[in-house]
Amino acid sequence: DAGITQSPRHKVTETGTPVTLRCHQTENHRYMYWYRQDPGHGLRLIHYSYGVKDTDKGEVSDGYSVSRSKTEDFLLTLESATSSQTSVYFCAISERNGPPSPGELFFGEGSRLTVL
Amino acid sequence: AQKVTQAQTEISVVEKEDVTLDCVYETRDTTYYLFWYKQPPSGELVFLIRRNSFDEQNEISGRYSWNFQKSTSSFNFTITASQVVDSAVYFCALSEAPGSGNTGKLIFGQGTTLQVKP
Repeated sequence: DAGITQSPRHKVTETGTPVTLRCHQTENHRYMYWYRQDPGHGLRLIHYSYGVKDTDKGEVSDGYSVSRSKTEDFLLTLESATSSQTSVYFCAISERNGPPSPGELFFGEGSRLTVL
Repeated sequence: AQKVTQAQTEISVVEKEDVTLDCVYETRDTTYYLFWYKQPPSGELVFLIRRNSFDEQNEISGRYSWNFQKSTSSFNFTITASQVVDSAVYFCALSEAPGSGNTGKLIFGQGTTLQVKP
């Protein structure tokens, strides 16, 4: 196992409420990623981080923010959740500790978020 | 822009049949990597294979084989003698070129759901 833990694993919330998903790794990897998975779209990158306090946007970043204050934790926040953000969210880390070569990503188990 | 297309949304086969999952990609990079991931019903994502753009040799691993053809921008995945345990969603993915600016992120296709019936 790659030592990735996502929390919560399941969450139901209401439109307009803030939500934070946490990704915790024990591998000391520099690069971390948040993806969302939706039917017909596969996995799409929301944000990624290349170090503490270093983050950048992915292809579907609108409505999301991230923070990384420690190497091991990468937080994804929905400031005001909408129904379109109902999805399964996956955290991933790269296989290498340093500038990533295009290596395999290790994924967490996913967090299923439902926004009513 | 990079793009991965898996035109087959769902495939259903009977056990022991061979099945091929198609993957077509678009990229302007001359160097890139291609991947296949498996997502079984339990939901986790499992890495299957990585192939770089300079290596067009087909690869075989047990019942799995991969056919990479740069001329048609395709990286197809074949399961020989399928089994019920092969039932899963399969994703093809593309990475940007390696180098100092590489971020490691992957571009995924839409996924193909494979159902293998006993």
